[in-house]
Amino acid sequence: EIVLTQSPGTLSLSPGERATLSCRASQSVSSSYLAWYQQKPGQAPRLLIYGASSRATGIPDRFTGSGSGTDFTLTIGRLEPEDFAVYYCQQYGGSPRTFGQGTKLEIK
Amino acid sequence: EVQLVQSGAEVKKPGESLKISCKGSGYSFTNYWIAWVRQMPGKGLEWMGIIYPGDSETRYSPSFQGQVTISADKSISTAYLQWSSLKASDTAMYYCARSEGGYSLYWGQGTLVIVSS
Repeated sequence: EIVLTQSPGTLSLSPGERATLSCRASQSVSSSYLAWYQQKPGQAPRLLIYGASSRATGIPDRFTGSGSGTDFTLTIGRLEPEDFAVYYCQQYGGSPRTFGQGTKLEIK
Repeated sequence: EVQLVQSGAEVKKPGESLKISCKGSGYSFTNYWIAWVRQMPGKGLEWMGIIYPGDSETRYSPSFQGQVTISADKSISTAYLQWSSLKASDTAMYYCARSEGGYSLYWGQGTLVIVSS
């Protein structure tokens, strides 16, 4: 099973700042089969990025995914108030699919 | 419009059985895998397993193998997650999600399961 470790656990930033979230895999994720999700309280997760770097439909271009192998990054260019949420990475290159433990992005 | 509509919240006692559902619409239900994801209170997402409604092929995470049963009835475009004997530790929100080759664009609204004596 591929274990995903996200860091930091909590990130405190102000609107307008840039956010960098990390997701590290315990073994290489084949074909960059990595996705990122955003989850707000009381809501289902929302797909942001798939294939490590492809934005899902309707996702603003301030969200950028990058990385390959075992190291992946989600960058949010300029934080908007609605971006403060919990972010999860998920790998789907191995079985079982697994999620990281999440990074909480909070307002400083 | 693709939709996944889950059954309503449940309050059960330990030892009871339960089957929750996820009805798909707006697409060909038999052509996409459906995944189930657990979220315990205040915790992260856990991938439980997946089913292909076209032939009911099912795969489980080792963490959930033997603990739950995933099934589907393609005639009514519905997937199910069931327990034969609930435990307090099964208290969680459960999401179904359509798998687009591994990741999930479409999610159900979640079903809250509370197990308490």
